[in-house]
This record gives sequence, structure tokens and C-alpha cells, in this order.
Amino acid sequence: KAGVTQTPRYLIKTRGQQVTLSCSPISGHRSVSWYQQTPGQGLQFLFEYFSETQRNKGNFPGRFSGRQFSNSRSEMNVSTLELGDSALYLCASSSGDRAGETQYFGPGTRLLVL
Amino acid sequence: QKEVEQDPGPLSVPEGAIVSLNCTYSNSAFQYFMWYRQYSRKGPELLMYTYSSGNKEDGRFTAQVDKSSKYISLFIRDSQPSDSATYLCANSDSWGKFQFGAGTQVVVTP
Repeated sequence: KAGVTQTPRYLIKTRGQQVTLSCSPISGHRSVSWYQQTPGQGLQFLFEYFSETQRNKGNFPGRFSGRQFSNSRSEMNVSTLELGDSALYLCASSSGDRAGETQYFGPGTRLLVL
Repeated sequence: QKEVEQDPGPLSVPEGAIVSLNCTYSNSAFQYFMWYRQYSRKGPELLMYTYSSGNKEDGRFTAQVDKSSKYISLFIRDSQPSDSATYLCANSDSWGKFQFGAGTQVVVTP
């Protein structure tokens, strides 16, 4: 099975711009979670989508949003970028319908905000 | 206080030594436990997964869970320079809520 794929792998943006990141989960997986990883804060949960609905949400401002399509692919959008948004953004997929199953991560999108 | 605590390291060991990594958690709702390995500039890769107290072995890796103490460990035997990475512990509850430790950086020197 192909793994989780994320595009683009690298992005450079300037403050105030917006950005859209894409994630394709493992085939058959219906849950996609997004995380922000920074050296100081570690992995922080943004949100989870399951069957096109946001099922869980972390403590990030409304500038961070996401959506999921009928084929389970997911996009994450960050509007009005700030310098502090520079991070590795990871998505993780799972089937989403069994308690205790684990998540499988993509390679991440590294975002640099100048 | 974070729900999952992990020493950030770095932990430096000579090649061939046993690497011992630890993690504590505070929420009893966590029932599932994972260890991920993350190389620099890559996504985390699942190493071990367990849901019960006790030991689980997979090759050179042993995961140990003590639910009564809320303490989980990962041991790497016969460490290799290729084991140099950041190791993340992760827990989840029955509702799919995941919490990750900040990660411990491991350096295995030849």
C-alpha cells in the first residue's frame, strides 16, 4: 500500500499571505489528522477529519482551517500567515472507525514564513 | 503540566549499547501506547504499538508499559548509528484522542 503523501514538501511564504497544504491518506483510511511540529512545542494537534466532517479540534486560532473530500483527501489552510506559523505540518491517517488504532504519518510540509 | 512528559535529551550512547527511553502520562483514559521514530526532516514512523501492561518485543526493540504507574519505556538493544533519531512516545484513548511527548533525541556514536 502506498503511504501517506503530502504536497508540497516545502513552502516559503511571507507574512499576511495564505497557504493551502494537501494530504492524501493511505488507501481505505477515512480519518486524517493534522499536526504542527516545532522545536519548542513538539507535535501539536490541529484537527481531525473523518468522512468529510471535522471530528476533533485542537487549540489553534480560526486562521487554521481544514476540509476533507469524499475521496478522504484533506487540505489544510492557514490564512494571514504569521512568523510563528513556520513549522513542519504533518498529516496522519487511520481507518478512524476502530478504538485504539494507530496513526500513520506523511513526510510533512515544511513551511517557512518570512 | 503536559499530559505526556518525555525527557528531550539528547541521549548519547556508544554503538552496541542499550538505549533506554521513558515517558510518563497523567490521563488514565489513555489505553493505547505507541513509539514513533523521527529522522531529521522526515515524518514520524511507527515503531511499536501496544495496549496492555507488560512487555512487547519486536527485533531489537522492546516496549514496556506500566499502567499502574503511568509509565512507558522503549529499549533498543545493540544500538546502531542508524538508530540516531528523535523518539516520540504517543498515547491515545478510546475516542481516538492522541497525545504526543515532545520527543527524545538519541545519538548513537560509532
